[in-house]
Amino acid sequence: EVQLVESGGDLVQPGGSLRLSCAASGFSFSSYRMSWVRQAPGKGLEWVANINQDGSEKYYVDSVKGRFTISRDNAKNSLYLQMNSLRAEDTAVYYCARVAWIQLSFCDYWGQGTLVTVSS
Amino acid sequence: IQLTQSPSSLSASVGDRVTITCRASQGISSFLAWYQQKPGNAPKLLIYTASTLQSGVPSRFSGSGSGTDFTLTISSLQPEDFATYYCQQLNGYPPSFGPGTKVDIK
Repeated sequence: EVQLVESGGDLVQPGGSLRLSCAASGFSFSSYRMSWVRQAPGKGLEWVANINQDGSEKYYVDSVKGRFTISRDNAKNSLYLQMNSLRAEDTAVYYCARVAWIQLSFCDYWGQGTLVTVSS
Repeated sequence: IQLTQSPSSLSASVGDRVTITCRASQGISSFLAWYQQKPGNAPKLLIYTASTLQSGVPSRFSGSGSGTDFTLTISSLQPEDFATYYCQQLNGYPPSFGPGTKVDIK
C-alpha cells in the first residue's frame, strides 16, 4: 500500500525557517517524481514544487523561488521541503504527493498534509 | 496558464446529473486532471488526460474536452460525492489548479 506521511509543520514567525519531511512507503520511491502542493485555510490548491527521480531537476512556483528548496533522499525514501524567509501568505497545509507519470505532473497518491502557520 | 471553473458552487440532489466546467486561458491539448476533495482530507485523483478514469474511481464520473474547454460529469450524484472538485492543467510548469467547484446538498 502506497503511503506518504508528512511531518515538520509548526507555528513559525515571519522570516523564520522550517523543514518539512515526507516519508514514503509501499512503492519504489526512486522511480517517481514527487511534488509539494499547499492549501491555505479555506482556499484552493496551489502547486509548490516538483523534483525528478534523482533530484537533478527541480521546479517551483514563482512565489517561493529563492526561498524554498525541494530535495529528496532515495536511500531514506524521503522527500523534503526547506522553507526559508517565511511569510504570512505561506500559511497552509502542505501535501506531499507522488507524480503519476514521467511526462505529466498529476498526482495519484497524496499524504494527509502538515500544517504550517506563519504568524508572530 | 490560468484556469477558471464554473460554477464556483452548486446545490444538487442525490441522483442528479452534475456538470462542472474548466476553461484554460490557452490551449492545453488533453493535459488536464480532475480531483475531488472532501473537508479535512487530501485531494483524490479522479481523471487524467481529460478523460481517463483513475483506477478505482466509479464509472459515474467522466471527463471530456480538449484545447481550452473541459467538463467533469457525475451521471448520478451519490451522497459520497458532495465535495469540492478541482481541475489541474498539466501542460508544463507551473501545473496550476483551478479555483474549485463546491458541490453541496440541495
